[in-house]
Amino acid sequence: DTAVSQTPKYLVTQMGNDKSIKCEQNLGHDTMYWYKQDSKKFLKIMFSYNNKELIINETVPNRFSPKSPDKAHLNLHINSLELGDSAVYFCASTASRGPPGNTIYFGEGSWLTVV
Amino acid sequence: QKEVEQNSGPLSVPEGAIASLNCTYSDRGSQSFFWYRQYSGKSPELIMFIYSNGDKEDGRFTAQLNKASQYVSLLIRDSQPSDSATYLCAVTRRGSTLGRLYFGRGTQLTVWP
Repeated sequence: DTAVSQTPKYLVTQMGNDKSIKCEQNLGHDTMYWYKQDSKKFLKIMFSYNNKELIINETVPNRFSPKSPDKAHLNLHINSLELGDSAVYFCASTASRGPPGNTIYFGEGSWLTVV
Repeated sequence: QKEVEQNSGPLSVPEGAIASLNCTYSDRGSQSFFWYRQYSGKSPELIMFIYSNGDKEDGRFTAQLNKASQYVSLLIRDSQPSDSATYLCAVTRRGSTLGRLYFGRGTQLTVWP
């Protein structure tokens, strides 16, 4: 079983549409993240949830809205998609106890293309 | 100044050689340092982490940390074509929110047979 799974893996959509990406982890972690990787491979954090509570909210347009129904799920909804939203979105998770960062597991990524 | 800087490369080495990847960071309060490997079209995977000054070895990989110089490096000995990937340096900062990683832009490594 995949530890951190995201759906869909590929998404092509038109400008102005609303879309969602779902993420689930079966590692028993209590902290989940959304990262965005642009065309130049720069990976930057967008959001983080710990036990369903938002703890990191970077400078991201409010068209992006994360939702965590429980510790194992973190979804990302994007309204009014723009061309600049085209990127790879990675979900990740970790356990809050233990050394920071060494157990961050990434999902396989969701390739979003806005046309 | 960017939080984490890496030479974008590409770095090209022959099979069997030592590949040296470098990373500098701007925040002297940075605490933990990570190297991720990312194959094209795949997700980043953690290959090394280091917290203390000095060297840390794991198989063919050695991470080196010099906090005074704000410098962390990754050496890959006996490089193999399968090591060809983008290597991402990441750091966490003291007092930063749980698990918040600051990534560099990555160095693309090509190992030719």
